[in-house]
Amino acid sequence: DAKTTQPTSMDCAEGRAANLPCNHSTISGNEYVYWYRQIHSQGPQYIIHGLKNNETNEMASLIITEDRKSSTLILPHATLRDTAVYYCIASQAAGNKLTFGGGTRVLVKP
Amino acid sequence: NAGVTQTPKFQVLKTGQSMTLQCAQDMNHNSMYWYRQDPGMGLRLIYYSASEGTTDKGEVPNGYNVSRLNKREFSLRLESAAPSQTSVYFCASRGTGTAINQPQHFGDGTRLSIL
Repeated sequence: DAKTTQPTSMDCAEGRAANLPCNHSTISGNEYVYWYRQIHSQGPQYIIHGLKNNETNEMASLIITEDRKSSTLILPHATLRDTAVYYCIASQAAGNKLTFGGGTRVLVKP
Repeated sequence: NAGVTQTPKFQVLKTGQSMTLQCAQDMNHNSMYWYRQDPGMGLRLIYYSASEGTTDKGEVPNGYNVSRLNKREFSLRLESAAPSQTSVYFCASRGTGTAINQPQHFGDGTRLSIL
C-alpha cells in the first residue's frame, strides 16, 4: 500500500466545513483512497472511498486531485460528534489489509 | 443490525495464561481480519482470513493463532500471554462480492490487559 501523509491535528468550528488533506504521492493505479475515523477508542468507522472521481455520501465528500497524488475529505457541517482521529489509507481494491498511519486528530470546537 | 460483534469487551490476564478472543459477523462477508492497536498508534494487522478455510499472517502475527471456524466466526488465540500483548484488539470483516473495493467494517474492540 502507498504511504499516506496527514497533518497530526487540526481544529475546526462547529457548523463550518472541515477540510482534511492527505498526500499519497506514490499511489498506484489500482489503489483506492479510503477514509476511516475513530471516535474515542471505538472501532474505526468507514466514511468514504474513491479511485479517481470525486465521491459524496451522507457523511462526507472526497475530492481526489487529477494526478491522484493527494485528496481532501470534506465534512460539510462539522458537529461536536465529529471530533475523532481521521485516517486516510491507500489500498488495493483486492488487498487484504489496511495500513493505518497516525491519522489527523480533529477537534471540533463550539 | 449487529454488524461485527466481539467478545469479551474487557479482559485482564496474568502472564502465561491463555485465552481466545471471539469475533462474529452477520453481514455474510467473506474476509475477516484481526488488528491490534497500542496506545496512541494506528492499527496493525495480526492475521486475516480471505475466505472460509484460509488464514494468512499479517504484520505482527507472533504470539497469536487464529481459527476461521465458519463464514461468520474468526477467533484469535493467545497461547501464553505476555505483557507486550496488552492492547486493544479489533476484528473487521469485508464483503468481496461483485464490487472488489468493499470497505472493511470494524467491531468495537476487546481491551486486553496482561499483568
